[in-house]
Amino acid sequence: AQSVTQPDIHITVSEGASLELRCNYSYGATPYLFWYVQSPGQGLQLLLKYFSGDTLVQGIKGFEAEFKRSQSSFNLRKPSVHWSDAAEYFCAVGPSGGYNKLIFGAGTRLAVHP
Amino acid sequence: DVKVTQSSRYLVKRTGEKVFLECVQDMDHENMFWYRQDPGLGLRLIYFSYDVKMKEKGDIPEGYSVSREKKERFSLILESASTNQTSMYLCASSPFGTSGPSYEQYFGPGTRLTVT
Repeated sequence: AQSVTQPDIHITVSEGASLELRCNYSYGATPYLFWYVQSPGQGLQLLLKYFSGDTLVQGIKGFEAEFKRSQSSFNLRKPSVHWSDAAEYFCAVGPSGGYNKLIFGAGTRLAVHP
Repeated sequence: DVKVTQSSRYLVKRTGEKVFLECVQDMDHENMFWYRQDPGLGLRLIYFSYDVKMKEKGDIPEGYSVSREKKERFSLILESASTNQTSMYLCASSPFGTSGPSYEQYFGPGTRLTVT
């Protein structure tokens, strides 16, 4: 079955520290992969996406993610976290079951200490 | 930029009421989706639509229905609201196609619904 796992429910980092959010997926073919961010009380905003080609993709707000097929992972990274990065982060994979559906992970909530 | 709007940011309804949540997108997207978001459960798909008047059930359709009379508008209907439908509801849209960009979903700001 297709699925997305984000093993960390909550992560706390200090401002200026590096960040890695984990995402593992189960998918039968080559997936399309996405990371979205949700600030408190807001909708989801796309951070970055992987369709094909270079396995290291750059996104907005200084984020990057690396697609590792052998590990079925698409981890999100940022070298230096800012207080404004505190939010919930969702990994998604598709397509699922036709009609352009995506499967979302349960999310990782990031807290940033000053 | 794609814009997806939802009719209300916050809504409080009573048990048994019929509730309408409206979503409008301005990018001529064929696909539209309704999700509910609950802590620890991520986003769960309620219904989606791939064309006007066309709809498909998602993972948790029970207690909900949808309507898509115009391409830009996708409505979620709670026929008889219950307290377990208290949640954040998110609408999204994406263009038609089978290439990567057609799987990118654009989200509205969400409606936080409380049923008392």
